[in-house]
Amino acid sequence: DGGITQSPKYLFRKEGQNVTLSCEQNLNHDAMYWYRQDPGQGLRLIYYSQIVNDFQKGDIAEGYSVSREKKESFPLTVTSAQKNPTAFYLCASSIIDGSYEQYFGPGTRLTVT
Amino acid sequence: DAKTTQPTSMDCAEGRAANLPCNHSTISGNEYVYWYRQIHSQGPQYIIHGLKNNETNEMASLIITEDRKSSTLILPHATLRDTAVYYCNSNTNAGKSTFGDGTTLTVKP
Repeated sequence: DGGITQSPKYLFRKEGQNVTLSCEQNLNHDAMYWYRQDPGQGLRLIYYSQIVNDFQKGDIAEGYSVSREKKESFPLTVTSAQKNPTAFYLCASSIIDGSYEQYFGPGTRLTVT
Repeated sequence: DAKTTQPTSMDCAEGRAANLPCNHSTISGNEYVYWYRQIHSQGPQYIIHGLKNNETNEMASLIITEDRKSSTLILPHATLRDTAVYYCNSNTNAGKSTFGDGTTLTVKP
């Protein structure tokens, strides 16, 4: 059963702590993406990666970091430098040859207090 | 990457066609237009995409204007389960992907 998994679904952290959100895909997709969604708003791109060991900043990369050591995995770290980390985080993947429709995971809702 | 703009909300009667517009006036020649929908607190679901020609699949139809500055997603017979937020998106070669704020479609009985 192919797809994208994100864990955990809900995550709670204290202010000042770094936290890493997991994203795994078994679709054999080359490209992966991280988005942030705030209540009542659209998706904003944080980082994206088209190939292993390479990634680019999106529109709101400050306070976040990523790694892409394996094709299947694209973890996102929310650092203590991110001023407003509480949000819904979505991971997606796509192919890079042909049409590039994205397949999304179920999301992780992060709450920082 | 093109900036997309959509109306904030729309209503549609059950069984009627829902026509959702998107403006992408800065889209470049090699950027596809994609449509997704998101039901509350879930990940968005891909619906359809196109480059220049109109497209149809089992879920919807996509009409792209000749100048490619706008497009319309058509749900031919809307049901209550089509109530969701619909996003228009552009993407160049699996690179930087831009989503608009989406249109909240409410299908009413």
